[in-house]
Amino acid sequence: DVKVTQSSRYLVKRTGEKVFLECVQDMDHENMFWYRQDPGLGLRLIYFSYDVKMKEKGDIPEGYSVSREKKERFSLILESASTNQTSMYLCASSPDSSGTYGYTFGSGTRLTVV
Amino acid sequence: AQSVAQPEDQVNVAEGNPLTVKCTYSVSGNPYLFWYVQYPNRGLQFLLKYITGDNLVKGSYGFEAEFNKSQTSFHLKKPSALVSDSALYFCAVRPWPSGGYNKLIFGAGTRLAVHP
Repeated sequence: DVKVTQSSRYLVKRTGEKVFLECVQDMDHENMFWYRQDPGLGLRLIYFSYDVKMKEKGDIPEGYSVSREKKERFSLILESASTNQTSMYLCASSPDSSGTYGYTFGSGTRLTVV
Repeated sequence: AQSVAQPEDQVNVAEGNPLTVKCTYSVSGNPYLFWYVQYPNRGLQFLLKYITGDNLVKGSYGFEAEFNKSQTSFHLKKPSALVSDSALYFCAVRPWPSGGYNKLIFGAGTRLAVHP
């Protein structure tokens, strides 16, 4: 089974801190995604990557950046954390861009910014 | 704008009764359709998908879904609900063509509560 591992289940950070959320997948998937999940809003796409060092903005990229230096690792960076970035963050991967396989998700990181 | 609607925030069902969780979509082309389930403090797990072919697809844990192109719907169903089915359910759509990217559009989620 594909595993997508997010390094932290819970994080508490202070306003203004630079925050790194890490995601690693172990099945050589090409595509990786970062979503945030908020009640009543579902999942909203922040950034995605379709290859190493390639990235594309999603629907809500403001205040975030990403890094994909190696195929298996996709990092989400909050440049200066704010309280409105308190949320559940979900990483996902898919084998390719065909769409036939859907996504495999990590367990999520619940971030609280105080 | 392309979107996915799950019109019910919550669905309540008695154990043993059939359940339906509704999903409608507004996307271009012939979409790929997915259902995912999320248990508390966990990531999303794949349930089933429609890519092409038979409009009725079967998935994990006894769930099934019916693709209805004329009504642009993809409702999730189960003949007999279990208390353990209680969770948050997400419908997702991948438009086709997609511009070369495998981006899914998710609904807001429906919380299913199955009562003993």
